[in-house]
Amino acid sequence: GQQLNQSPQSMFIQEGEDVSMNCTSSSIFNTWLWYKQDPGEGPVLLIALYKAGELTSNGRLTAQFGITRKDSFLNISASIPSDVGIYFCAGPKTSYDKVIFGPGTSLSVIP
Amino acid sequence: ETGVTQSPTHLIKTRGQQVTLRCSSQSGHNTVSWYQQALGQGPQFIFQYYREEENGRGNFPPRFSGLQFPNYSSELNVNALELDDSALYLCASSLVAGGHEQYFGPGTRLTVT
Repeated sequence: GQQLNQSPQSMFIQEGEDVSMNCTSSSIFNTWLWYKQDPGEGPVLLIALYKAGELTSNGRLTAQFGITRKDSFLNISASIPSDVGIYFCAGPKTSYDKVIFGPGTSLSVIP
Repeated sequence: ETGVTQSPTHLIKTRGQQVTLRCSSQSGHNTVSWYQQALGQGPQFIFQYYREEENGRGNFPPRFSGLQFPNYSSELNVNALELDDSALYLCASSLVAGGHEQYFGPGTRLTVT
């Protein structure tokens, strides 16, 4: 069954606005990964987080590994039309575990 | 450096048939994982191959099988296709076995009628 929850499920924002989305689990995760998937494409790795409390940026994207190790957050600043897509959180519970994906957050940017 | 490639792009099969999907991993990557992504859902792990052997498997029946070749390319085989097997099948490669930073191909869209 689904072990990762993402919210919101979908969001419609105006170009230029900041975006926040999060990922939660009832279990502790060893690593948090954030992927973006465009229509007709495979997911693309955006950010990887390895340590509780870690804050990592990749351009306009910033992600954090929650202190409890049960959640992670992704923020996008000054959104642009090419940010449109589905954002997935993912991760293994342990170093030797398979990667589990959340159900995704669909982002639409209105020009 | 070449990325992950998959073939074919699209495929239509009939229930009960068998299908083979192919994947070439990113240059330098020796580990390949396969995922099934149903419409509107996140990818679900099928299995991983490292050094031509299965290195972990998700909750998929034995009719899902795979191969990895010496050049690290891989195949996913599905026997006795069911309607619920209709999905996007994604291949991902990583630098090392158990490596969680994976790089995905564009996927193969399989439709079972």
